[in-house]
Amino acid sequence: QKEVEQDPGPLSVPEGAIVSLNCTYSNSAFQYFMWYRQYSRKGPELLMYTYSSGNKEDGRFTAQVDKSSKYISLFIRDSQPSDSATYLCAMRPSGNTGKLIFGQGTTLQVKP
Amino acid sequence: GAVVSQHPSWVICKSGTSVKIECRSLDFQATTMFWYRQFPKQSLMLMATSNEGSKATYEQGVEKDKFLINHASLTLSTLTVTSAHPEDSSFYICSARDRSSTDTQYFGPGTRLTVL
Repeated sequence: QKEVEQDPGPLSVPEGAIVSLNCTYSNSAFQYFMWYRQYSRKGPELLMYTYSSGNKEDGRFTAQVDKSSKYISLFIRDSQPSDSATYLCAMRPSGNTGKLIFGQGTTLQVKP
Repeated sequence: GAVVSQHPSWVICKSGTSVKIECRSLDFQATTMFWYRQFPKQSLMLMATSNEGSKATYEQGVEKDKFLINHASLTLSTLTVTSAHPEDSSFYICSARDRSSTDTQYFGPGTRLTVL
């Protein structure tokens, strides 16, 4: 079993839809959670960073963490064609190594 | 936001030659940088952790003599692919750890290596 599971998709939605992207994890030591967006042939871009259970909102994006269920989500409201990309969840335990464990990535396509 | 650059953005080389890729943190100091490799439609695979002033730590299965890493300063790490072969063709991405704010990683734009 992988430490982090993420549905690879692809996920196709119409413009304006609410998108829900999810990851589950098995290691209860993970304390810090991130979502990255990666466009084709580009490096990942940090979207959201959270370290506690609950919701964090930034514009059209909301990150949700449920440590008791070992489940994190990223919601995108009013999705746009420019949101079409691969979304990677990442997480790490507390400590000094800083190494991130990534999900497989979900490919999202928002159709105009 | 934190910016990380990589150079070159793409490179084509002949089999048997060596290629150097640079990773720079432009607006913060990074005592730790990471090197990843990514194949098409796959997630990132961590190759090694680069620490300023000390030897890199390689992940299992990554040949340290083939992928030479030098973290010469707080803003620069280099990855040299020695005696490159076609199977080394891939997308190489670095990230730099910013410990001053969120203590997370910011990624470079990636380098596409093609070995003929």
